[in-house]
Amino acid sequence: AQKVTQAQTEISVVEKEDVTLDCVYETRDTTYYLFWYKQPPSGELVFLIRRNSFDEQNEISGRYSWNFQKSTSSFNFTITASQVVDSAVYFCALSEDGGYGNKLVFGAGTILRVKS
Amino acid sequence: IAGITQAPTSQILAAGRRMTLRCTQDMRHNAMYWYRQDLGLGLRLIHYSNTAGTTGKGEVPDGYSVSRANTDDFPLTLASAVPSQTSVYFCASSRDRNSPLHFGNGTRLTVT
Repeated sequence: AQKVTQAQTEISVVEKEDVTLDCVYETRDTTYYLFWYKQPPSGELVFLIRRNSFDEQNEISGRYSWNFQKSTSSFNFTITASQVVDSAVYFCALSEDGGYGNKLVFGAGTILRVKS
Repeated sequence: IAGITQAPTSQILAAGRRMTLRCTQDMRHNAMYWYRQDLGLGLRLIHYSNTAGTTGKGEVPDGYSVSRANTDDFPLTLASAVPSQTSVYFCASSRDRNSPLHFGNGTRLTVT
């Protein structure tokens, strides 16, 4: 069975600090997809990244970077030089069926608070 | 602006009442989904539809029903609401299996 664990319930940092959000997953499949979504205080869910299991290259997008390590079943998300606008709930998710959400399993989420 | 519209934004409902949450998308996406979000549990899939005319059960379907008469609309019905259905409900859609989910802004439902 699929499972996504985000062990950090809540993280508080001061602006400009770097912060890493952990995500550990479980799956029996060799083909799967990992996602990160952001939910700002306004409530909507925003897609950040999708990574398939065959692509272990780390990805960087501005201040955001993702570290995918199959050996440890982890897909961690780092925000560099955090800003107050980064305050949100961040969800890691796993799918064994590509982009379709019928097999998308979410972690419980990590609340990130960035203080000025 | 293209996207997903959910209605109502919020609702307080007496237990035992029937309620339909509306979801409409104008992106012509094939697949649509209903999730509920509860503190500490993340988002859990209630029902989904991969294409108009078909539906399927997700992780927590009991007490809910859906229909998909056309591409754009995917209403979620609570036949007889119970307090445990108090939650934030998100509708989402995806164009195909290679596309990420697009979410609506959610409906906050309180069952008293």
